[in-house]
Amino acid sequence: AQSVAQPEDQVNVAEGNPLTVKCTYSVSGNPYLFWYVQYPNRGLQFLLKYITGDNLVKGSYGFEAEFNKSQTSFHLKKPSALVSDSALYFCAVRDGDNTGKLIFGQGTTLQVKP
Amino acid sequence: DAMVIQNPRYQVTQFGKPVTLSCSQTLNHNVMYWYQQKSSQAPKLLFHYYDKDFNNEADTPDNFQSRRPNTSFCFLDIRSPGLGDAAMYLCATRLGLGGYNEQFFGPGTRLTVL
Repeated sequence: AQSVAQPEDQVNVAEGNPLTVKCTYSVSGNPYLFWYVQYPNRGLQFLLKYITGDNLVKGSYGFEAEFNKSQTSFHLKKPSALVSDSALYFCAVRDGDNTGKLIFGQGTTLQVKP
Repeated sequence: DAMVIQNPRYQVTQFGKPVTLSCSQTLNHNVMYWYQQKSSQAPKLLFHYYDKDFNNEADTPDNFQSRRPNTSFCFLDIRSPGLGDAAMYLCATRLGLGGYNEQFFGPGTRLTVL
């Protein structure tokens, strides 16, 4: 069965420092991986995805993620954090049944302090 | 701008009183999803439509029903809301099958059950 894990409930980082939000996955077949961000009382916003190709994926708002097949990871990164990046981040993997359904991680709250 | 719209943003209902949440989209996506999200947890898929084909998740309670009268609109009906149904309800859309396209989320409807 497909699964995704976000090992950290919360990540704290100072503004201007690099940030990493971790995600590991377990899939049969090729993984389709996604990152979403959710601000309070809002829906999820798509940040980036990995389908195939270059392991470093660039997305919205300066975020990027690195696909690592050997470590089965897809960590989200940003070189310089902003206070406005503070939000709830979800990693997701496509469910294997080809319907486009997503299996979400439990979410990681990112807190960026000035 | 093309988007996913949910109405109302906030809904208060009484225990056992039926309620309907609506979702509309201008993206012309053929797949629509309804999720339930409780207190910063991962969204939980209730059901989805591929065109008019309805797909219910195995653990979605019978209390939850859905209608999709056309491509643009989708409704979530909760026949007899209980206190445990208080949550954020998210609608999402996606183009096609295959799983490589991302889902686009609406802003959500926060349901309160008194």
